[in-house]
Amino acid sequence: GQNIDQPTEMTATEGAIVQINCTYQTSGFNGLFWYQQHAGEAPTFLSYNVLDGLEEKGRFSSFLSRSKGYSYLLLKELQMKDSASYLCALLGEAAGNKLTFGGGTRVLVKP
Amino acid sequence: DVKVTQSSRYLVKRTGEKVFLECVQDMDHENMFWYRQDPGLGLRLIYFSYDVKMKEKGDIPEGYSVSREKKERFSLILESASTNQTSMYLCASTLRGSRNSPLHFGNGTRLTVT
Repeated sequence: GQNIDQPTEMTATEGAIVQINCTYQTSGFNGLFWYQQHAGEAPTFLSYNVLDGLEEKGRFSSFLSRSKGYSYLLLKELQMKDSASYLCALLGEAAGNKLTFGGGTRVLVKP
Repeated sequence: DVKVTQSSRYLVKRTGEKVFLECVQDMDHENMFWYRQDPGLGLRLIYFSYDVKMKEKGDIPEGYSVSREKKERFSLILESASTNQTSMYLCASTLRGSRNSPLHFGNGTRLTVT
């Protein structure tokens, strides 16, 4: 099976940077996704890492290290609208593109 | 833009009732999924399907069944609803064979079983 761990909650200040860590134990996976979910809404796709290294998309970056079983999502120049839950998910190797999610990290951005 | 539509936003059902949750996607995706989301437990996979009439158990299939008669529609069935099935249910779809194709989620159905 797969075990995915994220911190439950983080607080940061508007304009600052926050790093959300995700550690996992798994026998194998195709890639790692990050999703954003605002309260009461569906998750929306943020980024995807298949190889080790950093993927940058505007204010959001995601990093993967397969050897360390570790990923992080970096949010720069935080805005109030970034207050949301951030979900780390592993894409399985079997047919069906099955995603297994961590518990999510709730980020609260304060003025 | 991909659209995944869940038929109900909120549902209230009684214990023992048979409940149908419907999901339709309009992008010809092969793969469809049903998750439930509970505080502290995150998103957990109930069932998924990678083709018409195909279904696979996810991590928590007990108490649920599914139906995929047409490619665009994936139904979740609670044969006899119980209070521990009170939850937010999320349907999702994605292209088959594309490893970096993200899941597209519906807006969710919040089911309360009394």
